[in-house]
Amino acid sequence: ILNVEQSPQSLHVQEGDSTNFTCSFPSSNFYALHWYRWETAKSPEALFVMTLNGDEKKKGRISATLNTKEGYSYLYIKGSQPEDSATYLCASNTNAGKSTFGDGTTLTVKP
Amino acid sequence: GAVVSQHPSWVICKSGTSVKIECRSLDFQATTMFWYRQFPKQSLMLMATSNEGSKATYEQGVEKDKFLINHASLTLSTLTVTSAHPEDSSFYICSAGAGRGGYTFGSGTRLTVV
Repeated sequence: ILNVEQSPQSLHVQEGDSTNFTCSFPSSNFYALHWYRWETAKSPEALFVMTLNGDEKKKGRISATLNTKEGYSYLYIKGSQPEDSATYLCASNTNAGKSTFGDGTTLTVKP
Repeated sequence: GAVVSQHPSWVICKSGTSVKIECRSLDFQATTMFWYRQFPKQSLMLMATSNEGSKATYEQGVEKDKFLINHASLTLSTLTVTSAHPEDSSFYICSAGAGRGGYTFGSGTRLTVV
């Protein structure tokens, strides 16, 4: 993988459903993986910064895992709520200081 | 927490005019600020890295004479789109911080050139 890829591009779920999406990134020269939550007309908000293979981080109902050897990270949302509706961006940093963003996954949670 | 204030939030300008976008770090000093552009349904693309007191570093394919970046103080970086044309219409956003600390983003500027 040469670029940062996120899937799916968009996701529509019902309130209460649990969901997950994927960020794939180049595993060479890996330094850090960031997840951001971006609501319309607001600044992207940092959710997690992950650095170590096998890292698992949790913030409320949202959690993330990291596999640096195979180059992927999963973001999980348990019991989705309408306020979780946003675009979720991941960005991979190399040890050269370059950040590459994925296109984002847009989540819509229907009440 | 750290806050980056960006304005204007949106601007419409006539073709051929210049537009200045400001990003201020409100409660911290940002020696480095990053400027991104995002076209519809595409990812954030790094345009340049702004360094306080020195010249900006531009990414390949970004015209430095068209996108003027000034980082005159530790709390202010500006991006000026000179002689804007309709193809410059885009979403521009800045961020401070890097590496393992994560970024603090501004709220972005929607530029429409008519």
